[in-house]
Amino acid sequence: QKEVEQNSGPLSVPEGAIASLNCTYSDRGSQSFFWYRQYSGKSPELIMFIYSNGDKEDGRFTAQLNKASQYVSLLIRDSQPSDSATYLCAAGGGADGLTFGKGTHLIIQP
Amino acid sequence: NAGVTQTPKFQVLKTGQSMTLQCAQDMNHNSMYWYRQDPGMGLRLIYYSASEGTTDKGEVPNGYNVSRLNKREFSLRLESAAPSQTSVYFCASSEEGSGMGNQPQHFGDGTRLSIL
Repeated sequence: QKEVEQNSGPLSVPEGAIASLNCTYSDRGSQSFFWYRQYSGKSPELIMFIYSNGDKEDGRFTAQLNKASQYVSLLIRDSQPSDSATYLCAAGGGADGLTFGKGTHLIIQP
Repeated sequence: NAGVTQTPKFQVLKTGQSMTLQCAQDMNHNSMYWYRQDPGMGLRLIYYSASEGTTDKGEVPNGYNVSRLNKREFSLRLESAAPSQTSVYFCASSEEGSGMGNQPQHFGDGTRLSIL
């Protein structure tokens, strides 16, 4: 069974700083990686996806993928209180379809 | 553009009752999924349908049945509800037609189900 591991947190970051969220996955056959943001009581919302090694930037968000280390990260620059949420990492494309981590709870302190 | 629509949003059942959760998507996606989300357990796949006419079990299928009614609609049925099925249920859809998880999934707002 494929596993996606995340630190549950909470991760507390001052407003305006860079928030760094990390994720590791067990299935080397995974090819697609996704970051979702989930506010309390709401549904997961896709914010980034990455398929190739390296960095992918979209506004204040940067996803980083290192397949050799089986490691995915999400950087949030200029963190805002509205970024406070649980961030779910997911890995797909292997034998078990899409597998989600349990999420990291991020708190941006004003 | 509604995306993925789930009904109902909330439901309370008694043990042993049955009910069907409805899901419809208007994005012309091939694949549809049902997840449950429990505190500390994350999102767990119940069933999925990689394309119209096919359904497959996920990680936690026991106690559930599904129907892919057409390309737009994918329903989840609890035949005899148990307290262990108290959860938040999410439906999702994706462009891909393989169920491999290579494409982003888009989620509905969820159904909060309590079984007494």
